[in-house]
Amino acid sequence: EPEVTQTPSHQVTQMGQEVILRCVPISNHLYFYWYRQILGQKVEFLVSFYNNEISEKSEIFDDQFSVERPDGSNFTLKIRSTKLEDSAMYFCASTLWGYPGRTGINTGELFFGEGSRLTVL
Amino acid sequence: DAKTTQPPSMDCAEGRAANLPCNHSTISGNEYVYWYRQIHSQGPQYIIHGLKNNETNEMASLIITEDRKSSTLILPHATLRDTAVYYCIVRTDKLIFGTGTRLQVFP
Repeated sequence: EPEVTQTPSHQVTQMGQEVILRCVPISNHLYFYWYRQILGQKVEFLVSFYNNEISEKSEIFDDQFSVERPDGSNFTLKIRSTKLEDSAMYFCASTLWGYPGRTGINTGELFFGEGSRLTVL
Repeated sequence: DAKTTQPPSMDCAEGRAANLPCNHSTISGNEYVYWYRQIHSQGPQYIIHGLKNNETNEMASLIITEDRKSSTLILPHATLRDTAVYYCIVRTDKLIFGTGTRLQVFP
C-alpha cells in the first residue's frame, strides 16, 4: 500500500540552527500539507501546498518557515532559525484531489506520514 | 470552520461495539464529516467520511443524523489496538483537529 514517508524520524538541533524536514508524498498526489503536534497538544495545521505554491498557511507558519517541492517527489519544510518552541512532531500529509466540496468529487482522505520529531535544545 | 464537540474520553470492552458521538450543529450543506484516529504519537489515520448518507467500510460505520447536526462513529468489534484518540472533523478545506475522544479499550 502506498504511503507517505518522512525523514528524519528524529532530529535534535541547537537553537538558532536551520532544519529541513523531508517528506515523500504518495506519488500521484497533488495536494500537500504540513502539520505539527507539540507534545500533549492538538495536531495543528501549518501549511497547504498545491501546484508549486502555498495555498494556505496558518499563523504559526511565519517567515521562519518555508516549504518547497524541489524535484517533483520530495516536499520539504525548512525552519530557518529554530526556537525552543519549535520542538514538536511534524507530520506531512498528501491527497490526490484536495477538498471534495471544491471539486465535486468525493475523494477521500489525507494520508499522513509517521512524523519527524524535532527537538530544539 | 464548523466546530465539533466530542466527549474527552470513553471506555469500551474488547469485542464490544464502540460508539463515539460527535456534535456538529453548525455544519453547512457542503461540509463533510471526517473521522481520523491517532495511536500514541503516530500520524493521524483516516477512518471514514461522509456527507449525508451513512457510510461503512472495513474499519467502521458512520451514522449521520438526518439534520446532519451530529454523527456517530461505530467500531463494531473493538480490539485493544483500537485504543487511540478519535477525531471528528468537519472539513471545509484543510483538516482542523480538535482534542478528540480518547478511547480506551480494555480486556
